[in-house]
Amino acid sequence: QSVLTQPPSVSAAPGQKVTISCSGSSSNIGNNYVSWYQQFPGTAPKLLIYDNNKRPSGNPDRFSGSKSGTSATLGITGLQTGDEADYYCGAWDSSLSAVVFGGGTKLTVL
Amino acid sequence: EVQLVESGGGLVKPGGSLRLSCAASGFTFSSYSMHWVRQAPGKGLEWVSSISSSSSYIYYADSVKGRFTISRDNAKNSLYLQMNSLRAEDTALYYCARDSGVGDAFDIWGLGTMVTVS
Repeated sequence: QSVLTQPPSVSAAPGQKVTISCSGSSSNIGNNYVSWYQQFPGTAPKLLIYDNNKRPSGNPDRFSGSKSGTSATLGITGLQTGDEADYYCGAWDSSLSAVVFGGGTKLTVL
Repeated sequence: EVQLVESGGGLVKPGGSLRLSCAASGFTFSSYSMHWVRQAPGKGLEWVSSISSSSSYIYYADSVKGRFTISRDNAKNSLYLQMNSLRAEDTALYYCARDSGVGDAFDIWGLGTMVTVS
């Protein structure tokens, strides 16, 4: 069972918008930065969002991040079939002195 | 090109040991904290351990504490993970990842090296 909670799956049609939630506690999301990763089958994860809402250079602005209290959200607009992947949230947990990840969310673009 | 290349994985019996290595290139290795993250077959990401740039700060997941040891050699641009007392549940693809320096985000990942305990 993961410290951060994500929905196992989400789906939406091409061109639509989808959000993926990540729920934690005051020891992780509530007081530390959240990052988001995209992982295609058989490949290494890729950093999508850091510092709650910042995008590394080269990442499309269709991807956005936000945080409120002990929850964070990844938003993806203008969905493309190429966005089908697993998405993970992560954060430092001050109580555990460890990085914690969500269980991952599989995005299906119908 | 910024790159991380892991090696040292393989098949090992329960109770055995392995040493993973991660060779870094294309950036000033000594300036960055580094991490090991693993992913069991068909499962999600699990953080394993981290080490600061000068090895002053080291952290472990509870699941590996006392069995795994992280280290680095900045002169050789290399990160290591010594894994002892291996268990079946340690079977996973082990990734080496660079800490971006901001908010514990991992901005560069290797391709991973597979460890099978059986």
